[in-house]
Amino acid sequence: DQQVKQNSPSLSVQEGRISILNCDYTNSMFDYFLWYKKYPAEGPTFLISISSIKDKNEDGRFTVFLNKSAKHLSLHIVPSQPGDSAVYFCAASVEGNEKLTFGTGTRLTIIP
Amino acid sequence: NAGVTQTPKFQVLKTGQSMTLQCAQDMNHNSMYWYRQDPGMGLRLIYYSASEGTTDKGEVPNGYNVSRLNKREFSLRLESAAPSQTSVYFCASSERLAGIIQYFGAGTRLSVL
Repeated sequence: DQQVKQNSPSLSVQEGRISILNCDYTNSMFDYFLWYKKYPAEGPTFLISISSIKDKNEDGRFTVFLNKSAKHLSLHIVPSQPGDSAVYFCAASVEGNEKLTFGTGTRLTIIP
Repeated sequence: NAGVTQTPKFQVLKTGQSMTLQCAQDMNHNSMYWYRQDPGMGLRLIYYSASEGTTDKGEVPNGYNVSRLNKREFSLRLESAAPSQTSVYFCASSERLAGIIQYFGAGTRLSVL
């Protein structure tokens, strides 16, 4: 039972354009969402997060949007840069619960 | 400023052998976690520890044991390794359970032949 789904295993985007990574979830109890970025042979690193009381959070080139009614989360990267090429995981948690539930990841490739 | 340190980085075992994966964090975090990452599966929680002296099962605990040695260290033991345990293992820590950012180590790539 995959509670957090990233339906696109891979995505290729031209440098300078917008990258949009999507994530869907099924558990309506999730109230905190995170995006992690992972380079090969490294551990995941935190990128940006959003609480369920908000619908948007922005940090520089990265913006996360949350649509609670659709149970959908998206990460926008503008403009995309070659260093953004990595695997991106979305994750979700429930306040007071013990674990972070991860999606399966989307490999983003930025084409110079 | 090491963050979360995992040892070893790589390991090859034969079926039935045992080993312990080590993890230490220097951020004074209360909570620590062990995950495994397999192709197409994302990261799955094996065990976690909310504080020193406590451990709890995650999503995929079978075949593993853990020890929260002190606040800094959280080890993962494979008593009798199986090929199904071939994976990349990540240790993480956070200030408290849930709703707070988890910080990850660089991972241990384990192959069981």
